[in-house]
Amino acid sequence: KAGVTQTPRYLIKTRGQQVTLSCSPISGHRSVSWYQQTPGQGLQFLFEYFSETQRNKGNFPGRFSGRQFSNSRSEMNVSTLELGDSALYLCASSGMTGNEQFFGPGTRLTVL
Amino acid sequence: SQQGEEDPQALSIQEGENATMNCSYKTSINNLQWYRQNSGRGLVHLILIRSNEREKHSGRLRVTLDTSKKSSSLLITASRAADTASYFCATFSNDYKLSFGAGTTVTVRA
Repeated sequence: KAGVTQTPRYLIKTRGQQVTLSCSPISGHRSVSWYQQTPGQGLQFLFEYFSETQRNKGNFPGRFSGRQFSNSRSEMNVSTLELGDSALYLCASSGMTGNEQFFGPGTRLTVL
Repeated sequence: SQQGEEDPQALSIQEGENATMNCSYKTSINNLQWYRQNSGRGLVHLILIRSNEREKHSGRLRVTLDTSKKSSSLLITASRAADTASYFCATFSNDYKLSFGAGTTVTVRA
């Protein structure tokens, strides 16, 4: 099976812009979760989608949003980018919520 | 906020030695998982232990779970240079989210 893929791998944006990141889960996986990783805050949960429904959301402002499509592919969007949004954004898929998660390589976002 | 806290933050060992790291968490859990991350890449799942299990083995990995103390430990035996990485514990609770600790950075010296 192909692994979790994330596009793009690297992204440079300026403050105030918006960005959309994409994640394709492992075939058959219906749960997709997003995480933000920074040196200061570590790995923080953003949200989890299962069958196109957001089941949980972490403590992030409304500028962070996501969605999942019927084929389980997911996107996350960050609007009005701030310098502090610079991070590695990781997507993970799972066959069932709570089971082992398979992570993609991440998207490295740099906000200038 | 992070549910789990790993100890130590960093560990340096000689190849062939064992590495032990601990994880403490705050709330009740369904399961606890350990992941490895190499140089800022994606995480790799190592092992999952359910709340009703006390010990689990996978190859050179041994995980223990003490729900009364809300703690877990990961032991890597006979370490290799390829084990150099950051290790994270993650707890899964009823709120459908996996909460990660701050991680332990392990360096295996040749």
